[in-house]
Amino acid sequence: GQQLNQSPQSMFIQEGEDVSMNCTSSSIFNTWLWYKQDPGEGPVLLIALYKAGELTSNGRLTAQFGITRKDSFLNISASIPSDVGIYFCAGQLTNRDDKIIFGKGTRLHILP
Amino acid sequence: DGGITQSPKYLFRKEGQNVTLSCEQNLNHDAMYWYRQDPGQGLRLIYYSQIVNDFQKGDIAEGYSVSREKKESFPLTVTSAQKNPTAFYLCASSVQGWSNSPLHFGNGTRLTVT
Repeated sequence: GQQLNQSPQSMFIQEGEDVSMNCTSSSIFNTWLWYKQDPGEGPVLLIALYKAGELTSNGRLTAQFGITRKDSFLNISASIPSDVGIYFCAGQLTNRDDKIIFGKGTRLHILP
Repeated sequence: DGGITQSPKYLFRKEGQNVTLSCEQNLNHDAMYWYRQDPGQGLRLIYYSQIVNDFQKGDIAEGYSVSREKKESFPLTVTSAQKNPTAFYLCASSVQGWSNSPLHFGNGTRLTVT
């Protein structure tokens, strides 16, 4: 089946650093979604992107829908301890009935 | 407050027993979904339902069953036929199926089978 390649798999950063993660595919997507999951909880939607080239911010988070429609990235600026968790990208292919596909996640660790 | 409620949070069962996980939503969403999450595997789709009294198999439906008798409820039964049932199970809903309709998740049920 279709796959999303999400990288990096994990990140160890210092508090205050900026973070960048991305998702790529060989297929064209109509929708990109970014979720965050805290330990033992369900994923929470951070940003939804519906148009190629779209750049959307949510506080310290910024995500972009790649112009090729095959990738998306998420940036977090000035990281804080509560940013720790797993970040998932998800995408929907071009058909309206296509299922949403999830990446395997990027686990963010913040060093004290 | 509207949301998705999964219960119980933790569930323990003996091998060979069927177990049913509850999922209720009061968001008035048409579509509901069940995912399984294992470490390093991401989210894998078990079953989904886009309308009451109708549901479809996802990518890993074997050993699971669902029903959708009410719009608000989409229970998942993990049967004894599921070879590796221990996992974190997530229920989600969306306004109307897959199209331009982000999924909203519950807080999960962690099932342990020994």
